Amino acid sequence: QKEVEQNSGPLSVPEGAIASLNCTYSDRGSQSFFWYRQYSGKSPELIMFIYSNGDKEDGRFTAQLNKASQYVSLLIRDSQPSDSATYLCAVKGFYFGSGTKLNVKP
Amino acid sequence: EAGVTQFPSHSVIEKGQTVTLRCDPISGHDNLYWYRRVMGKEIKFLLHFVKESKQDESGMPNNRFLAERTGGTYSTLKVQPAELEDSGVYFCASSHGHNQPQHFGDGTRLSIL
Repeated sequence: QKEVEQNSGPLSVPEGAIASLNCTYSDRGSQSFFWYRQYSGKSPELIMFIYSNGDKEDGRFTAQLNKASQYVSLLIRDSQPSDSATYLCAVKGFYFGSGTKLNVKP
Repeated sequence: EAGVTQFPSHSVIEKGQTVTLRCDPISGHDNLYWYRRVMGKEIKFLLHFVKESKQDESGMPNNRFLAERTGGTYSTLKVQPAELEDSGVYFCASSHGHNQPQHFGDGTRLSIL
């Protein structure tokens, strides 16, 4: 069983819509969760991190953590074509999912 | 503030040769991580330094890989001898504390022929 699971996508949403990206993890003791964005050929770039159950909002991004169900999600409101990238979920700092590719269509 | 820098950006070597990758973390970041991404796969953790000490090297694939961080500043990752399956992008990242957000370098794309 993988430490971190993500749907590889691609997830396609129209411009202006809400994109919802999900991630599940296997280690119930995990305490730190991160979302990174990676454009093709570039390095991962941190978007959000969350340590506590519930929601954490930063601009158009909201991270949601549910430790009981062992999932963490990222919501992107008012999606823009520039949001098109691969989104990586990381748990415990250094266990990464394979990423979900997001396409935002103009 | 300068970001994490990696050198070289791209390396092409033949099977059996030796390659050394370098990572300069953000100044003041005690935690340094090495990762590898093979095409189509997830980013895989290789090892974690706290200052000059190896905190966790459970992800190192085999003894052909040697990482060092003398003096707790920059780090090197040596592959000797390189094999075909070592091809991929090697990322370095650094952070203030463990379990804190990491800043990634641009990676070194390693191609073994």
